Amino acid sequence: GIQVEQSPPDLILQEGANSTLRCNFSDSVNNLQWFHQNPWGQLINLFYIPSGTKQNGRLSATTVATERYSLLYISSSQTTDSGVYFCAVGGIGAGSYQLTFGKGTKLSVIP
Amino acid sequence: ETGVTQSPTHLIKTRGQQVTLRCSSQSGHNTVSWYQQALGQGPQFIFQYYREEENGRGNFPPRFSGLQFPNYSSELNVNALELDDSALYLCASSQGTGGETQYFGPGTRLLVL
Repeated sequence: GIQVEQSPPDLILQEGANSTLRCNFSDSVNNLQWFHQNPWGQLINLFYIPSGTKQNGRLSATTVATERYSLLYISSSQTTDSGVYFCAVGGIGAGSYQLTFGKGTKLSVIP
Repeated sequence: ETGVTQSPTHLIKTRGQQVTLRCSSQSGHNTVSWYQQALGQGPQFIFQYYREEENGRGNFPPRFSGLQFPNYSSELNVNALELDDSALYLCASSQGTGGETQYFGPGTRLLVL
C-alpha cells in the first residue's frame, strides 16, 4: 500500500514564528488532504490539495505530485494552532479506494 | 448544512462484548468511510460504504462489520471486543468513492476493559 511519512514528528514554536510541515508519499495519488486534529479528536479539514498551491489566511499548502511530497506552511503561529497535523493521501489500496494517513506532526505553540 | 455526526461520544465495554457505533453523513454525501485511531497514531482505514454495500476494506478482521442505510447513515459493529480495540473511531463522509474530499465526524472514544 501507499506509505506516508510526515516530518518533523514534533515541533515547538514561539508564538509568531513560522513553520513548514512536510509530507512524503510513495505512490501516485488522486487525493491529498491536510487536517488539524484538535485536543478533542476532531479532524478539521485544512486543504484538499492533490496538486498545486492553495492559501487560506495564515496557512498555505503546496503539493508537487510528480515528486511525491506536500508542504504545509503556518505563518505567524498562534497558540490556537497547537495540535496534531495530519497529511492523508488517497489511492487504491488492497483493491479499494482509501485514505492513508501519516503519523502526524505534533505542534506546540508557546506564548 | 449539517456536518457529520457520530454517537455515542464515549463508550466503555468489557472484553468479549459487542458494540455498535453510529454515523450520520453530511447532507448530500452518499459515501461513508470508517477509521480507527489508536493513541498516538494516525487514523487507519477500516472500510467504506457506498449505496448500502461495502466498497472496500482495510486490514481489519471480519468481527468488524458495518451497514449503510438508505439515508446514507452508517453503523460500525465490532464483535468479541479485545483490549486493542480501545481507540477513537472516526467516520467520514464524501460525495463519491474516488478522490473527493472526506469530512470527518467528532469520533467515538471506545475503551475496552
